[in-house]
Amino acid sequence: GAGVSQSPSNKVTEKGKDVELRCDPISGHTALYWYRQSLGQGLEFLIYFQGNSAPDKSGLPSDRFSAERTGGSVSTLTIQRTQQEDSAVYLCASSPILSGTDTQYFGPGTRLTVL
Amino acid sequence: DQQVKQNSPSLSVQEGRISILNCDYTNSMFDYFLWYKKYPAEGPTFLISISSIKDKNEDGRFTVFLNKSAKHLSLHIVPSQPGDSAVYFCAASDTSGGGADGLTFGKGTHLIIQP
Repeated sequence: GAGVSQSPSNKVTEKGKDVELRCDPISGHTALYWYRQSLGQGLEFLIYFQGNSAPDKSGLPSDRFSAERTGGSVSTLTIQRTQQEDSAVYLCASSPILSGTDTQYFGPGTRLTVL
Repeated sequence: DQQVKQNSPSLSVQEGRISILNCDYTNSMFDYFLWYKKYPAEGPTFLISISSIKDKNEDGRFTVFLNKSAKHLSLHIVPSQPGDSAVYFCAASDTSGGGADGLTFGKGTHLIIQP
């Protein structure tokens, strides 16, 4: 079956512009996660969704970041007024349920470059 | 403060030999550990996991060992094959949060299998 897909695969933008990153989880997976990997760093957890709900937004790096999920499926991560430090690979993962032990399946990521 | 540490950025091993990747953690609340493997331009893929109630889990050529008192885990790959060349991430979870805290990742170890 289809895995997690993300679009675009690469995004180059100018500082100050807004960007929207998309994640299509595995069909039927209720839990969805966003991570980012900056150069030379491990994956940094940003936010999770249980269905359409994201109860805890405290992991988002700043108030320029927002995320939503509609229909319990597709999620978008929006970064407003991008800064150079936002440059990273943004990874999305999904799992069948929200659980500390369920395997998270990752998409290929979106490489964001802010000039 | 890095809660999951992989102190070797890279490791080179001859084909057929054993590869040992190490990981240390500081958060005593972590009770579930995972290893992910990542090829360039792809998302991480789940490899093997271990619960803190165990000290060893084996799956084919891959074995993960957990030493709770030392807050240390290791991944053994034997025999190492060329296709094992990838970046390996250690990840940890506090399952009391039910998955709401996401996974905490190390920075990764680039394993290179030499012919």
